[in-house]
Amino acid sequence: QKEVEQNSGPLSVPEGAIASLNCTYSDRGSQSFFWYRQYSGKSPELIMSIYSNGDKEDGRFTAQLNKASQYVSLLIRDSQPSDSATYLCAVPSGANNLFFGTGTRLTVIP
Amino acid sequence: DAGVIQSPRHEVTEMGQEVTLRCKPISGHNSLFWYRQTMMRGLELLIYFNNNVPIDDSGMPEDRFSAKMPNASFSTLKIQPSEPRDSAVYFCASRPFPSGSSYNEQFFGPGTRLTVL
Repeated sequence: QKEVEQNSGPLSVPEGAIASLNCTYSDRGSQSFFWYRQYSGKSPELIMSIYSNGDKEDGRFTAQLNKASQYVSLLIRDSQPSDSATYLCAVPSGANNLFFGTGTRLTVIP
Repeated sequence: DAGVIQSPRHEVTEMGQEVTLRCKPISGHNSLFWYRQTMMRGLELLIYFNNNVPIDDSGMPEDRFSAKMPNASFSTLKIQPSEPRDSAVYFCASRPFPSGSSYNEQFFGPGTRLTVL
C-alpha cells in the first residue's frame, strides 16, 4: 500500500463551483499534512498545512483532516481558472522528509 | 531572497553521456533534497542532506546516480552514464533544519528538465 494515495483525475469543475480534492494515507501515526499546488511546468509550492482533526480555512481554501479515517481533503470554494493545476498531498516520512502523492489534476472551466 | 536556484533549466543529452545538475539552496537552510518527477511515478525523493551530510539515499535508483554537497550553498546530482529512462524533471528543495516542530515546508527550485536521447 502506498503511503499516500490520491485520485489522479483529471477533475473538472465549472468556474465558481467547489472543487474537492481527496487524499488517504497509510501511517496512522502521521501528525501533519500538507497540500502543494503545482502549475504546469512549474515547481510545487505549499498552500495549506493542517495538524489537527477538523477544518482549517485560509481564504477560499479549506483543508479537512480526519485522522480516524486517515483522510485529508482540500476544498476550493469559488473555483477560478487560475486554480487549474495539479494538487499534491504530502505527509511526513521520518523526521525530516515528506512523502508526496502522485497528485490530482484540476481544471476549472470558465 | 532569490529562492532555490537550479541549473541548467533544460538539458538534452545522448545516452551514455554524463549529466551534472546543480543546486544552490536558500541561504540558512540546513536541509537539501533532490527529487525526480515523472508522469508515471510522480515526485520521488532521491536523496537528502542535513548540514551537508547525506542522510538517506535509498531513493537513488542505481549506482549511475551520485550526489554531493561540498558546502552549505551548493549541491550536485550526477548521472553517469545517462539512459533514456532517466528523462524527467529533477527538483532541488531546501528547508531549515527541523527544531522539533511539525512544520515541514520545503521550498522547491524551478527544476531541471532532462531529456536523454
